Amino acid sequence: AQSVSQHNHHVILSEAASLELGCNYSYGGTVNLFWYVQYPGQHLQLLLKYFSGDPLVKGIKGFEAEFIKSKFSFNLRKPSVQWSDTAEYFCAVNYMDTGRRALTFGSGTRLQVQP
Amino acid sequence: GAGVSQTPSNKVTEKGKYVELRCDPISGHTALYWYRQSLGQGPEFLIYFQGTGAADDSGLPNDRFFAVRPEGSVSTLKIQRTERGDSAVYLCASSWTRAEATDTQYFGPGTRLTVL
Repeated sequence: AQSVSQHNHHVILSEAASLELGCNYSYGGTVNLFWYVQYPGQHLQLLLKYFSGDPLVKGIKGFEAEFIKSKFSFNLRKPSVQWSDTAEYFCAVNYMDTGRRALTFGSGTRLQVQP
Repeated sequence: GAGVSQTPSNKVTEKGKYVELRCDPISGHTALYWYRQSLGQGPEFLIYFQGTGAADDSGLPNDRFFAVRPEGSVSTLKIQRTERGDSAVYLCASSWTRAEATDTQYFGPGTRLTVL
């Protein structure tokens, strides 16, 4: 079965530190890839997405992610985090070859940025 | 513009009762999705509508769960004979494109269901 792994469950960083959150998916076919963020008390918001083309995608608020097909990975990065980045981050995958539109989510990574 | 809205925001019910959860998608979005998120987990897919019809209901856990979208806009998720294990946040999402290759789902705030 298709799955998505986010190995970092809880990450604590100081402001201005660099961030990299891992996301690996289980399937070698065609995929669409997403990162969503959930700020405290708010709903899931789209950070960035990858459909095709340049494997380095840029999203909102200075986030970027790199699709490495050979590693089945789509890691999220930010060079310098801010306190306002404190949130839960979810990686999601649409396994296109299944013909389904359902997103498969990872279990999330809680990021805590200390001032 | 307005995002996906869901009502109620919180619902507390007793085991065995029937509940309805409502989702109002972004105007013009033809696709609508329901997900369920348990504590400490990512959302899990339940059902997907394209227009009025359920195009994929493979995520519904059992026949106590049912969803409708009679006019192709608002959707209602119905849970019969609720059990304590149904307690979760129920999320609705919508998207506008018919092209699977570029489908992007936008999520609502969710309904937190607690079954006592």
